[in-house]
Amino acid sequence: SAVISQKPSRDICQRGTSLTIQCQVDSQVTMMFWYRQQPGQSLTLIATANQGSEATYESGFVIDKFPISRPNLTFSTLTVSNMSPEDSSIYLCSVDREPGKAFFGQGTRLTVV
Amino acid sequence: SQQGEEDPQALSIQEGENATMNCSYKTSINNLQWYRQNSGRGLVHLILIRSNEREKHSGRLRVTLDTSKKSSSLLITASQAADTASYFCATKYSGGGADGLTFGKGTHLIIQP
Repeated sequence: SAVISQKPSRDICQRGTSLTIQCQVDSQVTMMFWYRQQPGQSLTLIATANQGSEATYESGFVIDKFPISRPNLTFSTLTVSNMSPEDSSIYLCSVDREPGKAFFGQGTRLTVV
Repeated sequence: SQQGEEDPQALSIQEGENATMNCSYKTSINNLQWYRQNSGRGLVHLILIRSNEREKHSGRLRVTLDTSKKSSSLLITASQAADTASYFCATKYSGGGADGLTFGKGTHLIIQP
């Protein structure tokens, strides 16, 4: 199994500000995934982060709003920029350590006021 | 867009009863996975069923897959209070260069003591 440390676990932020979420994995992985879960909804993939290359964003998500860093094979950050109340969600990072089995961080519960 | 659709969206049963959740998906898959989420936290992988399998068991869990109907079901037998959680089906897809999971809308299961 993979141990994924994600922080912060929660935050309350003012609109117009930015928040950077960190995800640390206990071993090297090729790809890291970032998901958003809006209140009462399912998870939606934001982007895939590969070390040494630009992240690949899903439709509806753009780099200016959700810049991602992947400086090495065990770490990634997701920034939620210029936040509005609509960005209030749980943000989760994930890795595939075994084929067909994703491991998730505990999530970051973001509230924008 | 969401690949899977779960029903029911919410299910409340008495402890000891069986709980059945269904999931439908839209495209061809290699496998289908089920995850549990407790109280908006990180997801935990429960079970994977491959496209050439029809049924799979793991403890109190039984998963079926009907590729002709593009549907799957998750049965939890002899439910316990600790089973209270949200359950999601997920499939792996390739879209926009990403390789993440597409989640269904989820079923929120409540086990009444």
